[in-house]
Amino acid sequence: NAGVTQTPKFRILKIGQSMTLQCTQDMNHNYMYWYRQDPGMGLKLIYYSVGAGITDKGEVPNGYNVSRSTTEDFPLRLELAAPSQTSVYFCASSYVWRGTNEQYFGPGTRLTVT
Amino acid sequence: AQKITQTQPGMFVQEKEAVTLDCTYDTSDPSYGLFWYKQPSSGEMIFLIYQGSYDQQNATEGRYSLNFQKARKSANLVISASQLGDSAMYFCAMREGEGKLIFGQGTELSVKP
Repeated sequence: NAGVTQTPKFRILKIGQSMTLQCTQDMNHNYMYWYRQDPGMGLKLIYYSVGAGITDKGEVPNGYNVSRSTTEDFPLRLELAAPSQTSVYFCASSYVWRGTNEQYFGPGTRLTVT
Repeated sequence: AQKITQTQPGMFVQEKEAVTLDCTYDTSDPSYGLFWYKQPSSGEMIFLIYQGSYDQQNATEGRYSLNFQKARKSANLVISASQLGDSAMYFCAMREGEGKLIFGQGTELSVKP
């Protein structure tokens, strides 16, 4: 199993450009999440989804949009990139959110906005 | 208010010794979960151990154990017999509704040979 895959691994954007970070999981997980990790910090939740067609905001949603048209895919859209969005972005998924079900993380996308 | 606090930005431990990484949390929800993740320099997030708020016993996974003191709202990670490969950032996280994780700021562990 590939688990959670993210593309691209690295990206440099100019201020004002837009891009989509791709996330795919092959574990048939219902729950998917997007986090960002700023240098020297822990991860912060941007958006999450409890199933296809259902998304909700996390702690830091401004400047981002998401969609969940299938169970497998959960893309993150950046509109009008700003230097404050320079970060490492992690996608994660889990089957259910109770109990010992851990979140499986993708390898991350390192984004620089200049 | 910060919900997960890791007060040790950096820690050193001698190889083969045990080390404790501190984590305190704050929540009013009686049902919650606590996780520890390891992030090596390569950047990936590796799940280590989980403790549920209703679990009666402290969680253990190989060389990792979680010292869960519910009344003190602490969930410290204990790594026994440290290895050079344990050098990494360690994050404590608490699960809130619908699986959302709140992370602490992390502790950088360095294992000395």
